[in-house]
Amino acid sequence: SQTIHQWPATLVQPVGSPLSLECTVEGTSNPNLYWYRQAAGRGLQLLFYSVGIGQISSEVPQNLSASRPQDRQFILSSKKLLLSDSGFYLCAWAPLGLAGGHKVYFGPGTRLTVT
Amino acid sequence: QQQVKQSPQSLIVQKGGIPIINCAYENTAFDYFPWYQQFPGKGPALLIAIRPDVSEKKEGRFTISFNKSAKQFSLHIMDSQPGDSATYFCAVGGSQGNLIFGKGTKLSVKP
Repeated sequence: SQTIHQWPATLVQPVGSPLSLECTVEGTSNPNLYWYRQAAGRGLQLLFYSVGIGQISSEVPQNLSASRPQDRQFILSSKKLLLSDSGFYLCAWAPLGLAGGHKVYFGPGTRLTVT
Repeated sequence: QQQVKQSPQSLIVQKGGIPIINCAYENTAFDYFPWYQQFPGKGPALLIAIRPDVSEKKEGRFTISFNKSAKQFSLHIMDSQPGDSATYFCAVGGSQGNLIFGKGTKLSVKP
């Protein structure tokens, strides 16, 4: 069965500090990978998605970036955090190549607080 | 432009009641309609999904009703329990893009 891991689970960082959140998926190959952000009491905002190693698409312009160095590893980064970057960050995966929409499975999330 | 509109924003029902959450979409090209359940501090979990070739799908106490002509679909929770208290998200998907999520409905089931 497939499993998705995220770490750290919680993070408190000062404004202006760098960020690195990691996500790995087990039990599947060539997944689509996603980073979502959920602000307190808000919906799910798609930040980045990737259909393969080194292939990153950005949905929202911001000071965050994403990378996919390996097939089942997805990293969210920032060089300098802003207060507005606080939120619940969710990594997700979906089987590659499903037509007509795809089943998206979410990880446990990382709670980021920028102080 | 909001491509999927979810209502209500919040909902309170008594145990045993049948909460109904609605979603409306714009684009007729969408052909995949899932619902997700999210408990506080956890990632959303896929609950149930429907394709437009059927008008209803049941999985346990959860039912999706789908109205293709009206471009609407809804989630019904039969015999709701306090453990169903969570935030529910609808989404729409198509072959040309990623899932688009509604803004969520916070459900509270009172004992």
